[in-house]
Amino acid sequence: QVTLRESGPALVKPTETLTLTCTFSGFSLSTTGLFVSWIRQPPGKALEWLTFIDWSNGKYYSASLKTRLTISKDTSRNQVVLTMTEMDPVDTATYYCARMTGYYSFDYWGQGILVTVSS
Amino acid sequence: QSALTQPPSASGSPGQSVTISCTGTSSDVGGYKYVSWYQQHPDKAPKLMIYEVSKRPSGVPARFSGSKSGNTASLTISGLQAEDEADYYCYSYGDSSFYVFGTGTKVTVL
Repeated sequence: QVTLRESGPALVKPTETLTLTCTFSGFSLSTTGLFVSWIRQPPGKALEWLTFIDWSNGKYYSASLKTRLTISKDTSRNQVVLTMTEMDPVDTATYYCARMTGYYSFDYWGQGILVTVSS
Repeated sequence: QSALTQPPSASGSPGQSVTISCTGTSSDVGGYKYVSWYQQHPDKAPKLMIYEVSKRPSGVPARFSGSKSGNTASLTISGLQAEDEADYYCYSYGDSSFYVFGTGTKVTVL
């Protein structure tokens, strides 16, 4: 059974760095053709793809956010970590991690974590 | 690199069919077979409904189908049911490892 769960702070201050952890089970990120991605959704707005990391440690970032994002993985702990620098109130959103397959679709999602950026 | 364009809303009565469009460019939707669709109920995580344009994951009802013509992909819900009322998002792979979601469509069952 595949599960993913996001963890991290619910509140960060403007200019701070956000660190989120995705802990997953039921698959290994060393398996060829598997990826873990981060996606966010501001309240009442659409989904936005942020980044993903693949089985070979390849990393891909949204062009509009790539200077602020870093993704990494700890295969032995089944975790993927997202850091986003220079947080701003417009970054307030629910952040999801999701498994992506070689078909470039997200087949399993975490429940999401709401992160609010406010002083 | 812009979001894919979807109509803000669509509606139908129970038993009717509803089709949602997702318009991109030849650099994303039109150029690749990697279009997927997601259903999202309020305060829930999205759920994969269609991948690779027209394939249904195990457990997704057959009334959900996908297609593509040129730069526009479509999701059709046939035999609309009350539980189909939700937001729907398309997603596509694109040139230069560009990945993008659609603007989202709210489906209402009248």
